[in-house]
Amino acid sequence: ETGVTQSPTHLIKTRGQQVTLRCSSQSGHNTVSWYQQALGQGPQFIFQYYREEENGRGNFPPRFSGLQFPNYSSELNVNALELDDSALYLCASSLGHRGDTQYFGPGTRLTVL
Amino acid sequence: AQRVTQPEKLLSVFKGAPVELKCNYSYSGSPELFWYVQYSRQRLQLLLRHISRESIKGFTADLNKGETSFHLKKPFAQEEDSAMYYCALTGAGGTSYGKLTFGQGTILTVHP
Repeated sequence: ETGVTQSPTHLIKTRGQQVTLRCSSQSGHNTVSWYQQALGQGPQFIFQYYREEENGRGNFPPRFSGLQFPNYSSELNVNALELDDSALYLCASSLGHRGDTQYFGPGTRLTVL
Repeated sequence: AQRVTQPEKLLSVFKGAPVELKCNYSYSGSPELFWYVQYSRQRLQLLLRHISRESIKGFTADLNKGETSFHLKKPFAQEEDSAMYYCALTGAGGTSYGKLTFGQGTILTVHP
């Protein structure tokens, strides 16, 4: 059984650019949640996708958007990057969206210059 | 609004000593509480959740609704327990179900 994978591992962008981060969920999982972890902070919930539909969103602006594909993999897109977007982005997959255990990927480290 | 507070950023103990990592929460409904752990160079993983009432790696945590706390305890710390520990909460139902709110984390160091 393959765990949650994320790509790329690291990414450097400049202010104003756009970025796409990718997540492959664990086999059999239909729910993906995305979190932003700034340095020295705990992860913060961005949004969750369940069976290709957004199923809840945290306190993030609309320039943070996402997709989930029929195979339940997911993308996080961030437009008009700002310096404060520099963080570790984590995705987590779960069997369902009703409080099932979330399994985390290794994260993508985004640096915005 | 839901919130998780871990008052200690750093905690150091010696091997064999008891350890307690504190977690307080704020939530208006019925919460589900979790402890996640991140060992060096590893991904974040679930340590335990209060509804399962399990003891994992010797750690236990009791949900105290009166004090809104979910402290993590182990009677005899081991060096391999050194890690970052996060307390997390989700609402047990409703629109917040399954969306985790994390505390800022506590770095536990167990000295030999």
